[in-house]
Amino acid sequence: NAGVTQTPKFQVLKTGQSMTLQCAQDMNHNSMYWYRQDPGMGLRLIYYSASEGTTDKGEVPNGYNVSRLNKREFSLRLESAAPSQTSVYFCASRGLRNTGELFFGEGSRLTVL
Amino acid sequence: QKEVEQDPGPLSVPEGAIVSLNCTYSNSAFQYFMWYRQYSRKGPELLMYTYSSGNKEDGRFTAQVDKSSKYISLFIRDSQPSDSATYLCAMIGYGGGADGLTFGKGTHLIIQP
Repeated sequence: NAGVTQTPKFQVLKTGQSMTLQCAQDMNHNSMYWYRQDPGMGLRLIYYSASEGTTDKGEVPNGYNVSRLNKREFSLRLESAAPSQTSVYFCASRGLRNTGELFFGEGSRLTVL
Repeated sequence: QKEVEQDPGPLSVPEGAIVSLNCTYSNSAFQYFMWYRQYSRKGPELLMYTYSSGNKEDGRFTAQVDKSSKYISLFIRDSQPSDSATYLCAMIGYGGGADGLTFGKGTHLIIQP
């Protein structure tokens, strides 16, 4: 019973490099989300996908792109990483109840030098 | 004014004490209220879920919502060192929003053995 799986768990990048964070859920959820979490800032929504084939910007989308590959998978791409993108990234999917309950992955810790 | 306010702590209490964690909010449309627990280097996990005003109890945990005051609380009885974590409140309006939950920034709780 995996739930929400994120890869990689850790990554170190140099400024200007690109990378993709992968996320997959096995709960047949329609909605998926990418958050970043920084000390003192809480969880901030980067992008979300309300259903397969749709994506929308959240609170802090600049510097990121996303792809909803299919119902299970939602990836986050950093095209040209900057030190300000050093953070812990969480993927989440939304429960089937129409009440907003989110299920989170374990997180991906990214450092940009 | 932020939609959800939560004291970041840290809150340090001795083992066995009763802990009170709180959030205030400004959006009267919020109907569903949740508490997430996040252990260090892990993703948030849903702890308690409450609809509208009132109390809900689950073992040592009690969630309380006062919509008239726009104030929610989480009480932990007989606190244990294993309760040491960051606790995030979260909320959403009826029908949910496509962009998901509104989170507080989290309170870091330390239970001293």
